[in-house]
Amino acid sequence: QVQLVESGGGVVQPGRSLRLSCAASGFTFSTFGMHWLRQAPGKGLEWVAVIWYDGSNKYYADSVKGRFTISRDDSKNTVYLQMNSLRAEDTAVYYCARGRGDHTNWYFDLWGRGTLVSVSS
Amino acid sequence: QSVLTQPPSASETPGQRVTISCSGSSSNIGSNTVNWYQHLPGTAPKLLIYSNDQRPSGVPDRFSGSKSGTSASLAISGLRSEDEGDYYCAAWDDGLNGPVFGGGTKLTVL
Repeated sequence: QVQLVESGGGVVQPGRSLRLSCAASGFTFSTFGMHWLRQAPGKGLEWVAVIWYDGSNKYYADSVKGRFTISRDDSKNTVYLQMNSLRAEDTAVYYCARGRGDHTNWYFDLWGRGTLVSVSS
Repeated sequence: QSVLTQPPSASETPGQRVTISCSGSSSNIGSNTVNWYQHLPGTAPKLLIYSNDQRPSGVPDRFSGSKSGTSASLAISGLRSEDEGDYYCAAWDDGLNGPVFGGGTKLTVL
């Protein structure tokens, strides 16, 4: 079955860290760029980060640059999002998604159901 | 505030046609292609339309997309109750150097 399953969300205090995982199945994971996106309560979707299919490039939204790190382990068909120095405004449902298209026309053709991250003291 | 502007809600009766608009600027919709996503309650978001008007395999032809200038539209014909959910437009933004989204439109099938 072609799917993405996120895990690792939870409640965390401001300033602390959390690592999200996204397990892929049903497709050749190593041939796709992978993305993280998020949706804060009552807000729209926001793109967070991307890692190239071969891990050679990583890009981040300005809102998370320097605090979040995306990585992948093709042996485990898993993409990760290491989130450090978390802030209240990072509270959101985090989705991983499979990327298609070229660099200025990314679109996301497979999504997970998301994992909730709540940053609160 | 989202970079792309969508109406917060839309509604129509079963069998009818509804159109959802998405307004942007020259740095996003005006110079790049538009994609649309459907997010039904309790499910993962789903790609509906890519590259302005292309449907992925498995998406019914009841769904269609178009773009003109700095605006885009998603049309859904033959509305069904299972179409109820949130719909988002997205496009690359040259100034922000990343994909941007609309705030979403909640579709109600009356």
